[in-house]
Amino acid sequence: ETGVTQTPRHLVMGMTNKKSLKCEQHLGHNAMYWYKQSAKKPLELMFVYSLEERVENNSVPSRFSPECPNSSHLFLHLHTLQPEDSALYLCASSQDRGEATNEKLFFGSGTQLSVL
Amino acid sequence: RKEVEQDPGPFNVPEGATVAFNCTYSNSASQSFFWYRQDCRKEPKLLMSVYSSGNEDGRFTAQLNRASQYISLLIRDSKLSDSATYLCVVNIPNDYKLSFGAGTTVTVRA
Repeated sequence: ETGVTQTPRHLVMGMTNKKSLKCEQHLGHNAMYWYKQSAKKPLELMFVYSLEERVENNSVPSRFSPECPNSSHLFLHLHTLQPEDSALYLCASSQDRGEATNEKLFFGSGTQLSVL
Repeated sequence: RKEVEQDPGPFNVPEGATVAFNCTYSNSASQSFFWYRQDCRKEPKLLMSVYSSGNEDGRFTAQLNRASQYISLLIRDSKLSDSATYLCVVNIPNDYKLSFGAGTTVTVRA
């Protein structure tokens, strides 16, 4: 059983393509996140949504565009990506995005993205 | 200085051995600490939170040393299934963020 489902699992795209990653959480959480994980590097926080409002945009290039239509769904729209954007993209959710940041994260299985 | 630093390993240990590793953090005001486990090509999953007094969960023991600003994870009686990358996660105060280490890889061999 997985509380956070992410599709697709794998994606290969050219630099001129437009694609979207989808994430859905079934946990009743109020906060959702996009992370990027490159090989041998720490997870990098990209975007945070709390109660469907974007509260964090971590200096991410505009070729990445998030969308959160409701508290259960999160998208990451991709266009004109670069080869260095190839990485594992992880969606996560937490109950809330509280001040103590004591929230435990639940991750989706990730999308392994390759940009050619 | 990186917010969270981990020895990447790999730590190669035989089944049944004890393995331990640390993670250092730079912000002395951090209050929340976690260990996540990530299997190859899979998502991270919460292994355990780390409490001030130290805590155990079965064969896993986590400790916090505030004076030296590090947390540790000890795995007793290692199993083949313990082979994974262990991610150290620390909150960044006033920033509503969690900062991840790059992970420590543990390989348990038969």
